[in-house]
Amino acid sequence: GDSVTQMEGPVTLSEEACLTINCTYTATGYPSLFWYVQYPGEGLQLLLKATKADDKGSNKGFEATYRKETTSFHLEKGSVQVSDSAVYFCALSSNTGNQFYFGTGTSLTVIP
Amino acid sequence: DAGITQSPRHKVTETGTPVTLRCHQTENHRYMYWYRQDPGHGLRLIHYSYGVKDTDKGEVSDGYSVSRSKTEDFLLTLESATSSQTSVYFCATRDLNTGELFFGEGSRLTVL
Repeated sequence: GDSVTQMEGPVTLSEEACLTINCTYTATGYPSLFWYVQYPGEGLQLLLKATKADDKGSNKGFEATYRKETTSFHLEKGSVQVSDSAVYFCALSSNTGNQFYFGTGTSLTVIP
Repeated sequence: DAGITQSPRHKVTETGTPVTLRCHQTENHRYMYWYRQDPGHGLRLIHYSYGVKDTDKGEVSDGYSVSRSKTEDFLLTLESATSSQTSVYFCATRDLNTGELFFGEGSRLTVL
């Protein structure tokens, strides 16, 4: 079945460091891929998405490219800020569109 | 943002008692979902609905039931709560135009 595997955390970085959170997926057909972010005490909110191969999603300085050949959707940011501290979830929407599959989440802490 | 409200936001109950969590949306989204979030497991789908009176099971549906009598309301019921159902529960709706999931703020349930 469809599934998402993402990098284990927690991740701790200094402000202005580079961030990469790895995400790989298993799916039949052509899923859509998402990154969601969860700030403390809140629900998840969409960070970025890509709906087909080679698409790049971007938002708030974060980027991820849908790589079909490596079945990956890694999240990157060139310079993190303290306000980026949160839990990040990679997710996949199945071909039928009925269900989402989430990774286990990666906790990021950015220290000044 | 989609208007999704969950109630109650916090509940403490005892083993063996029934519990109902309510999700209310104002966006007229056809698809609604209940997830639970636990450390080390990320988000796991309990049940989802694809229309009024149309529901289906997710990966962790044992011990849970759902009902959807109106487009805007999706109820999650624990008929006889157990300590393993202590968790944070999230409701979500899906915008079929964008594919995006919108989440409520979560309901924290503690079963003693």
